[in-house]
Amino acid sequence: AQKVTQAQTEISVVEKEDVTLDCVYETRDTTYYLFWYKQPPSGELVFLIRRNSFDEQNEISGRYSWNFQKSTSSFNFTITASQVVDSAVYFCALSEANNAGNMLTFGGGTRLMVKP
Amino acid sequence: DAGITQSPRHKVTETGTPVTLRCHQTENHRYMYWYRQDPGHGLRLIHYSYGVKDTDKGEVSDGYSVSRSKTEDFLLTLESATSSQTSVYFCAISESQFHEQYFGPGTRLTVT
Repeated sequence: AQKVTQAQTEISVVEKEDVTLDCVYETRDTTYYLFWYKQPPSGELVFLIRRNSFDEQNEISGRYSWNFQKSTSSFNFTITASQVVDSAVYFCALSEANNAGNMLTFGGGTRLMVKP
Repeated sequence: DAGITQSPRHKVTETGTPVTLRCHQTENHRYMYWYRQDPGHGLRLIHYSYGVKDTDKGEVSDGYSVSRSKTEDFLLTLESATSSQTSVYFCAISESQFHEQYFGPGTRLTVT
């Protein structure tokens, strides 16, 4: 069965600090997809990134970067020079290619608070 | 932003009453999903659809039914609402089985 663990339930940083959100997953499939979503205080869920299991290249998008390591089953998310607007709950999610409907299994989320 | 709307956005209902939530998309995506979000549980899949009239159960489907008679609409019905179904309900859409899901704005349902 697939499982996603986000061990950090809450993180508090001061603006401009770098912060890394951890995500560890479990799956028996060799083909799977990993995702990160952001849920700001307004409540909507915003898609950030999708990664497939065959692509271990790290990705950078502005202040955001993602580190995917199959050896440790981790897909960590780093925000560089954090800003108050980054305050949100961040969810990591997993989908196995063999499941019929692309069902996402979500981690419990990490609440990030960025203080001015 | 993906064209997904949910209605109603907020609803308060009494235990035992039927409730239907609607998800409408303008993206012509094949896959549609209903999730619920509860503190301590994250998001959990209730039902999903992989085409018109094609639906299947998710992790927490008991007490819920769905219907999809058109590509653009996916309905979630609570036949007899219970207090344990108080939650925030999110609809999502996906172009294919291997693409990312885009979420609607959510519906906050309170069952008293």
